[in-house]
Amino acid sequence: AQSVTQLDSQVPVFEEAPVELRCNYSSSVSVYLFWYVQYPNQGLQLLLKYLSGSTLVKGINGFEAEFNKSQTSFHLRKPSVHISDTAEYFCAVSDGAGNQFYFGTGTSLTVIP
Amino acid sequence: KAGVTQTPRYLIKTRGQQVTLSCSPISGHRSVSWYQQTPGQGLQFLFEYFSETQRNKGNFPGRFSGRQFSNSRSEMNVSTLELGDSALYLCASSSYSSYNEQFFGPGTRLTVL
Repeated sequence: AQSVTQLDSQVPVFEEAPVELRCNYSSSVSVYLFWYVQYPNQGLQLLLKYLSGSTLVKGINGFEAEFNKSQTSFHLRKPSVHISDTAEYFCAVSDGAGNQFYFGTGTSLTVIP
Repeated sequence: KAGVTQTPRYLIKTRGQQVTLSCSPISGHRSVSWYQQTPGQGLQFLFEYFSETQRNKGNFPGRFSGRQFSNSRSEMNVSTLELGDSALYLCASSSYSSYNEQFFGPGTRLTVL
């Protein structure tokens, strides 16, 4: 079975500063990787996904992530954050064989004005 | 296209009662997954239905059950509620053509007193 580790539970960052949210996964098979964002009192919204191809994936709202197979990581980055980026971010992995996702415990990003 | 809808949005029950939550997937989506989200545990996978059949199941007690109807709408039921069942229950749907992208509903907030 897969597992996902989000190394930071809370990340405070000043507005317009860069941010990186870390995600590592464990799997012995090929995986599909995802980042979701959850705003207060809402469901999860897909930010970006890696299925195959280029290891640098660009998503919505200026976010990007890089798939690193040797380090089994899929870190999320944004060069300049905005107040509206304050939210909970979840990394997820799927083996593609079925439709079961495994989520990390989430990283709470707080952007400080 | 309308998104995933969940009803009710909020629910208050007492210990020992049972509850039924409903999820209507995006039109054309045949897969519906359910998750329990709590502050301490993050998102935990409950089960996934595809074309009225349970295809995957998480590690939850038998008090948690679900079903899917021919129109792909899904319900989950929790019997003999416990205080620890208080959580946000999220439903996600996906299509066969993009089966690795899940679209989430806003969730049902269940409080057990």
